[in-house]
Amino acid sequence: QITLKESGPTLVKPTQTLTLTCTFSGFSLSTVGVGVGWIRQPPGEALEWLALIYWNDDHRYSPSLKSRLTITKDTSKNQVVLTMTDMDPVDTATYYCARRLSLKQAFDIWGLGTMVSVSS
Amino acid sequence: DIQMTQSPSTLSASVGDRVTITCRASQSISSWLAWYQQKPGKAPKLLIYQASSLESGVPSRFSGSGSGTEFTLTISSLQPDDFATYHCQQYNNYLYTFGQGTKLEIK
Repeated sequence: QITLKESGPTLVKPTQTLTLTCTFSGFSLSTVGVGVGWIRQPPGEALEWLALIYWNDDHRYSPSLKSRLTITKDTSKNQVVLTMTDMDPVDTATYYCARRLSLKQAFDIWGLGTMVSVSS
Repeated sequence: DIQMTQSPSTLSASVGDRVTITCRASQSISSWLAWYQQKPGKAPKLLIYQASSLESGVPSRFSGSGSGTEFTLTISSLQPDDFATYHCQQYNNYLYTFGQGTKLEIK
């Protein structure tokens, strides 16, 4: 069974850095073609892709957020970490991690999501 | 950046209806288009990938078509479980973009 689970703070203050961890099981991020991405969704709004890291350690970011994001992986721990700097109230959202396969170029398995609020 | 525009934003339909949702890309994305279903408080669920390939376990009443810049998701006969929000997602040049979503409501 393939699962992903997001973890991190539920509340951060403006200007702080957010660190989220995606812990997964049932697949390996060292397998060719596999990637893990982060997607967020503000309350009542659309999904927004943030970042993706590939099996070969290549990584890509949303152009609009690139300067604030860093994605890394720890293959031995089956974890992917996303950091987002300079948090603002508009970054309040549910943050999801999800597996992506090259064959599909789509996110086929998602975590449950974690709600992050930004407020002083 | 490639923009994805879904229409309509909201769709009212009845059980048994055939419904179609459209997603347009601001430039050609070949067939790299996926569709997701999302219910309130839940994560999205992949329905269709590569424009027309049905994800394993998804009912055959769901189908996708299109290429280039225009794509459609069709539900052939709406079931009560299908009332949800549907999102399209494109892939191009290592980047991903989602549409704004279409809420499918009960008429």
